[in-house]
Amino acid sequence: DSGVTQTPKHLITATGQRVTLRCSPRSGDLSVYWYQQSLDQGLQFLIQYYNGEERAKGNILERFSAQQFPDLHSELNLSSLELGDSALYFCASSVGRDTIYEQYFGPGTRLTVT
Amino acid sequence: SQQGEEDPQALSIQEGENATMNCSYKTSINNLQWYRQNSGRGLVHLILIRSNEREKHSGRLRVTLDTSKKSSSLLITASRAADTASYFCVLGGSNFGNEKLTFGTGTRLTIIP
Repeated sequence: DSGVTQTPKHLITATGQRVTLRCSPRSGDLSVYWYQQSLDQGLQFLIQYYNGEERAKGNILERFSAQQFPDLHSELNLSSLELGDSALYFCASSVGRDTIYEQYFGPGTRLTVT
Repeated sequence: SQQGEEDPQALSIQEGENATMNCSYKTSINNLQWYRQNSGRGLVHLILIRSNEREKHSGRLRVTLDTSKKSSSLLITASRAADTASYFCVLGGSNFGNEKLTFGTGTRLTIIP
């Protein structure tokens, strides 16, 4: 158990819909990272927040947005869903803001868009 | 490419044997990390090696880094069935920012009991 929790575990929704994925980092970790893992794209970094502020951006679509709240939990919002958004979405946390710090991954949310 | 490329893509060995996976990359890095992912589950950090280090050990794991050849290797000794997983070489820092981890496509390791 990494100490990172993600909800929900599974999500099945239709194209065009909007969903919110939630992540609670390990106690004491200030950074939250979001990743998308699909069969054809592998594991892709989406976005990072550090202590409530956006720190780094990766291959995140404009239809996707995220935020980190004062209690440090984070939410990833996916809107106007397409079939290609079906993937495993991982959240990870670390104590610092640089990659030198080990990232602890949550169990993931499996999103299926039908 | 800014991601590491693991080789081989897949590897099957008998339990008890050693497994070696390689990673090559093209950019400058600040550090290189190896992660393990059991099927459909979250990733687990195995080891981090900084660009000024050449070798690092952690239990049955041994990682080497050759920055002149832009390559790294992960050796798992005395393999166990529980080592069956995908292993990712992850580049950290330097040209593409210290905040991003860039994952390779992974090596799928299968340990045959």
